[in-house]
Amino acid sequence: DAMVIQNPRYQVTQFGKPVTLSCSQTLNHNVMYWYQQKSSQAPKLLFHYYDKDFNNEADTPDNFQSRRPNTSFCFLDIRSPGLGDAAMYLCATSRGAGAAADTQYFGPGTRLTVL
Amino acid sequence: AQSVTQLDSHVSVSEGTPVLLRCNYSSSYSPSLFWYVQHPNKGLQLLLKYTSAATLVKGINGFEAEFKKSETSFHLTKPSAHMSDAAEYFCVVSDSGYGNKLVFGAGTILRVKS
Repeated sequence: DAMVIQNPRYQVTQFGKPVTLSCSQTLNHNVMYWYQQKSSQAPKLLFHYYDKDFNNEADTPDNFQSRRPNTSFCFLDIRSPGLGDAAMYLCATSRGAGAAADTQYFGPGTRLTVL
Repeated sequence: AQSVTQLDSHVSVSEGTPVLLRCNYSSSYSPSLFWYVQHPNKGLQLLLKYTSAATLVKGINGFEAEFKKSETSFHLTKPSAHMSDAAEYFCVVSDSGYGNKLVFGAGTILRVKS
């Protein structure tokens, strides 16, 4: 089945130790998104790629970076995790933009714990 | 700017009784509207989507939603709740454009009592 896959599902890191979260998709979608979801809150968009074009949200901290080496994969790098970065990180994809192509499909998420 | 208001942060129903989760939106043009469900420690699953083809939208697991432009509402309903429906539900509007940014409501936690 076509899907959005996130690895690992659970990640534990130490304060200040860089961490990379992975997302892959078999949907061949043009757009990939990274969201941060803290406890009891709605997901918050960090950034997205439209093909190779990177779009950062204005309030996304510089500590968060992303790479998209090809259509299928997208990575979230947290350069120096703080305790406040503990959250669920969700990857999503959509075929494109506009009403016919804007449905976002979410992966299962990676739960990040910072010690 | 677009916005979404979910009118109830928590809803509690008994198994077998109807479910109503309320959502109002604000949009300057015809939006795409979605309902997503999130079970604990899981990702978001799409329940249904409205794109102006029909005002009554049927989704998965017996859920449906009705788009009412005059009331700017998109309420989610299900005739008979099941224990497995217990989860958090998000009403979402799409800012369709480059990259189609989603605007989320704050979420409604549905509790189903046996």
